Amino acid sequence: NAGVTQTPKFQVLKTGQSMTLQCAQDMNHEYMSWYRQDPGMGLRLIHYSVGAGITDQGEVPNGYNVSRSTTEDFPLRLLSAAPSQTSVYFCASSYGRLANSYNEQFFGPGTRLTVL
Amino acid sequence: KNQVEQSPQSLIILEGKNCTLQCNYTVSPFSNLRWYKQDTGRGPVSLTIMTFSENTKSNGRYTATLDADTKQSSLHITASQLSDSASYICVVSGYSGNTPLVFGKGTRLSVIA
Repeated sequence: NAGVTQTPKFQVLKTGQSMTLQCAQDMNHEYMSWYRQDPGMGLRLIHYSVGAGITDQGEVPNGYNVSRSTTEDFPLRLLSAAPSQTSVYFCASSYGRLANSYNEQFFGPGTRLTVL
Repeated sequence: KNQVEQSPQSLIILEGKNCTLQCNYTVSPFSNLRWYKQDTGRGPVSLTIMTFSENTKSNGRYTATLDADTKQSSLHITASQLSDSASYICVVSGYSGNTPLVFGKGTRLSVIA
């Protein structure tokens, strides 16, 4: 199993450009999430999905869109990049709800995004 | 407000020594508490997951404790190795909804020779 994979590893954008961060998992997990990690702050949830066709907003959703057309893939789209979106982005997946302690959450390696 | 506070922010120890990292939380209702290890430039990796009924859980040289009454947890690292240098993140899960995770800011541990 490759686990959770993310592409690209690094990306530099100019303000106003758009791009998609890719995330895929091969563990047949229903739950997938996107987080951003900024210096001095804990991981913050952007969007999440509890299954194909179902997505919802997290703590910091503004400026980001997601879709979940398959169980395996959960791309994150930046429609018009802003310098405030400079961050490290992590995708994560789990078999089920994280309120259930049997469900371990697996993280991808991250995408480091810089917006100039 | 649901919060997770970790201390210290950073810690430097000599190889072979033990250390303990602290986590206090105010998340309610409580479901479980997770400790993650995050190496520089990588995603977090789960170390332990504990429910309110578990006081101690070990994973090799890592031992986590939980006091659900005082809402405190600790992560004890025994006989530290250079590879233990990383950030350690405490995460608390509540029962409500699908987005129950509250993340601490982490403790940055440096193990030096």
